[in-house]
Amino acid sequence: AQSVSQHNHHVILSEAASLELGCNYSYGGTVNLFWYVQYPGQHLQLLLKYFSGDPLVKGIKGFEAEFIKSKFSFNLRKPSVQWSDTAEYFCAVNQLSGGYNKLIFGAGTRLAVHP
Amino acid sequence: DTGVSQDPRHKITKRGQNVTFRCDPISEHNRLYWYRQTLGQGPEFLTYFQNEAQLEKSRLLSDRFSAERPKGSFSTLEIQRTEQGDSAMYLCASSELVGAGGGHKTQYFGPGTRLLVL
Repeated sequence: AQSVSQHNHHVILSEAASLELGCNYSYGGTVNLFWYVQYPGQHLQLLLKYFSGDPLVKGIKGFEAEFIKSKFSFNLRKPSVQWSDTAEYFCAVNQLSGGYNKLIFGAGTRLAVHP
Repeated sequence: DTGVSQDPRHKITKRGQNVTFRCDPISEHNRLYWYRQTLGQGPEFLTYFQNEAQLEKSRLLSDRFSAERPKGSFSTLEIQRTEQGDSAMYLCASSELVGAGGGHKTQYFGPGTRLLVL
């Protein structure tokens, strides 16, 4: 079965520090990849997505992610975090073959940014 | 359009009672999805509809769970004879229909219904 692994469950950073959150998936075929964010008290929002083309994807609020097919990875990065980035981040995969339309989510990474 | 809406936002019930949740997708989104999220986990897929047809159901969806989308617009998720293990956040998402060339359209999530079974 497909699975998504997020390596860090909790990350604590100071403002202006750089961020990298790891995400690996298990499916070997064609995939779409997503990062969703959930700010405290709010619903899941799309941060960025990869469907095809340039493996370096830029999203909202200065986030970017790089799809490395050989490593089955889609790590999220931000060069300088802000206090307002405090949230839970979820990586998700949708495989394209076999009629699958569901998203498979990782367990999430809770990020706390201290001023 | 203000996005996906869900009602109620919170529900507390006693074990054994039935509960029903409603989801209103973004208008003109053909696909509607239900997910369940428990503490410390990411959302887990339950089922999805394309228009009024329920096309896939997860094995997580036991016989006590039933979902409908009678007119291809809003959807309901009913849990019969609730158990304490049903306590979770129930999320609804919607997306446009996948194009003829395949591929995936972004799913947009609602705020969820948090269920607590006592």
